[in-house]
Amino acid sequence: DAGVIQSPRHEVTEMGQEVTLRCKPISGHDYLFWYRQTMMRGLELLIYFNNNVPIDDSGMPEDRFSAKMPNASFSTLKIQPSEPRDSAVYFCASSFYANEQFFGPGTRLTVL
Amino acid sequence: AQSVTQLGSHVSVSEGALVLLRCNYSSSVPPYLFWYVQYPNQGLQLLLKYTSAATLVKGINGFEAEFKKSETSFHLTKPSAHMSDAAEYFCAVSRVGTALIFGKGTTLSVSS
Repeated sequence: DAGVIQSPRHEVTEMGQEVTLRCKPISGHDYLFWYRQTMMRGLELLIYFNNNVPIDDSGMPEDRFSAKMPNASFSTLKIQPSEPRDSAVYFCASSFYANEQFFGPGTRLTVL
Repeated sequence: AQSVTQLGSHVSVSEGALVLLRCNYSSSVPPYLFWYVQYPNQGLQLLLKYTSAATLVKGINGFEAEFKKSETSFHLTKPSAHMSDAAEYFCAVSRVGTALIFGKGTTLSVSS
């Protein structure tokens, strides 16, 4: 199995631009999670899906952030417009019921 | 509400010494508990998990952790540290079908 796949691995953009992060979960997993990691705040849950349905988005910082899961094999996290404070590493993780979450390699986002 | 506290943001040991990373949790229901490791510029990798079976859990790379309900603790240990163990370690708690709640992390340094 290829594991959780995230793209791009690195993204550098300018303030105000739209950013789209992508995630392919492990086949057969029914939960998908988006986390953000910063030095100041550590690992934070942004949103998670079960069977493609958003269950908890209370961690999404504000309306500039949105996430979708159109099918079981793909999810996106979009930031529009981006701001420098959005600079972080964004992780996608997936699991099958039993909470053993498998993490992708992350996307390092830098907003200038 | 669930929470995790990792005592000590930075632990330093000598190669061959005992590794002890501390984690205390708060949960109103029997929790699932996890230890993850993160190497520089990589995603999180599961070390071990507790899901209400044996209280002493063995993981990868020689690590183990003991669930102590009376102390609400889930400390991670390894008898003999190796240079390759230098990384950041995260304790996490969850319930079935929910996202992980992570501690702030403990950076382990190993000196020769």
